[in-house]
Amino acid sequence: DQQVKQNSPSLSVQEGRISILNCDYTNSMFDYFLWYKKYPAEGPTFLISISSIKDKNEDGRFTVFLNKSAKHLSLHIVPSQPGDSAVYFCAAQRDDKIIFGKGTRLHILP
Amino acid sequence: NAGVTQTPKFRILKIGQSMTLQCTQDMNHNYMYWYRQDPGMGLKLIYYSVGAGITDKGEVPNGYNVSRSTTEDFPLRLELAAPSQTSVYFCASIRERGGYTFGSGTRLTVV
Repeated sequence: DQQVKQNSPSLSVQEGRISILNCDYTNSMFDYFLWYKKYPAEGPTFLISISSIKDKNEDGRFTVFLNKSAKHLSLHIVPSQPGDSAVYFCAAQRDDKIIFGKGTRLHILP
Repeated sequence: NAGVTQTPKFRILKIGQSMTLQCTQDMNHNYMYWYRQDPGMGLKLIYYSVGAGITDKGEVPNGYNVSRSTTEDFPLRLELAAPSQTSVYFCASIRERGGYTFGSGTRLTVV
């Protein structure tokens, strides 16, 4: 049973436009949600997180939105840049454990 | 500051062989984790440790063992390698909530 779901395996976005990556979760007990970015042959890199008591967190070009009633979060990247091409993992944390989604591969088109 | 260091980066094992994946961190983090990532799948937790001498099972612990004799080291042991253990393994550590620091991964193939 997948507790964290990323239903889009891949996404292509024009450079300069907004990239929106989506994530759904099933367990209302999670208290943090996180996004990680992964380049080929490298470990995942922490990108941004949001506490379950907030609905928005912004860091530069990256904004994460949390909709608790829908058990849904999204990552917005504005404007999208070529270096943003990577796999993005959504993750949910409760206590000392983090559960990851399967990831969405983002392609930024020139 | 090296962060989280994993060795080896690549390894090919024959079925039934054993090996230890090494993980070391120099950030004095108490919490350490082992994940595996299969193609098209998310990261799945194998084992984790909240401090020296303390380990606990994650989602997929079968076929693996760990130890945590020091804060710095968290080795993952495969005793009888099976093709189902072909994967990329990531070690990670965390000091406080909000994000992990991951190693660069070990790509393991069991043939």
